Amino acid sequence: AQTVTQSQPEMSVQEAETVTLSCTYDTSESDYYLFWYKQPPSRQMILVIRQEAYKQQNATENRFSVNFQKAAKSFSLKISDSQLGDAAMYFCAYRSDNNAGNMLTFGGGTRLMVKP
Amino acid sequence: DTGVSQDPRHKITKRGQNVTFRCDPISEHNRLYWYRQTLGQGPEFLTYFQNEAQLEKSRLLSDRFSAERPKGSFSTLEIQRTEQGDSAMYLCASSLKGGKAEAFFGQGTRLTVV
Repeated sequence: AQTVTQSQPEMSVQEAETVTLSCTYDTSESDYYLFWYKQPPSRQMILVIRQEAYKQQNATENRFSVNFQKAAKSFSLKISDSQLGDAAMYFCAYRSDNNAGNMLTFGGGTRLMVKP
Repeated sequence: DTGVSQDPRHKITKRGQNVTFRCDPISEHNRLYWYRQTLGQGPEFLTYFQNEAQLEKSRLLSDRFSAERPKGSFSTLEIQRTEQGDSAMYLCASSLKGGKAEAFFGQGTRLTVV
């Protein structure tokens, strides 16, 4: 079974600064996808960024980028130029491409606080 | 389409009562998932549907839980004889088939069993 671990329960960043959230996962599969989801307080979870395991190039979406280290099974999220609206819970998630259901396996989450 | 919607947003019930939650997915999505999220934790998979067929259930889904998706549209999740341990956020998500497909989440139903 796959597991996803987020070792930082809380992180804090100054507005306009850069912060990196860590995620490690365990799998014996070769075909999978990794995701970072953002869950603002009392609002629905939204996708921040997605990485295909077969791609060596790290995904980027505007201020968000990942550092995907497949051999180390590490998938960190970097947020540049942090904004107050980035404050939320962030969840790292794994999704198999072999499993028929393609359900997501989530980490425990990191609460990001942004200081003005 | 306004996305995935869930109803109710909050439910407080007494222990032993039955509750039912509803999820309306994005209309063209054939996959529908239910997850449970307890305070301070990440969501955990409960069950999923491919159209109207329920294809997998987690061992977290005890026999007091039942889910349906009639005609492959909306879905309901019923919990019978609720227990305090059932208190959690119940999240619904929908997607197209495939590992790459983005899963869209609803705002969830927060259940409190007193």
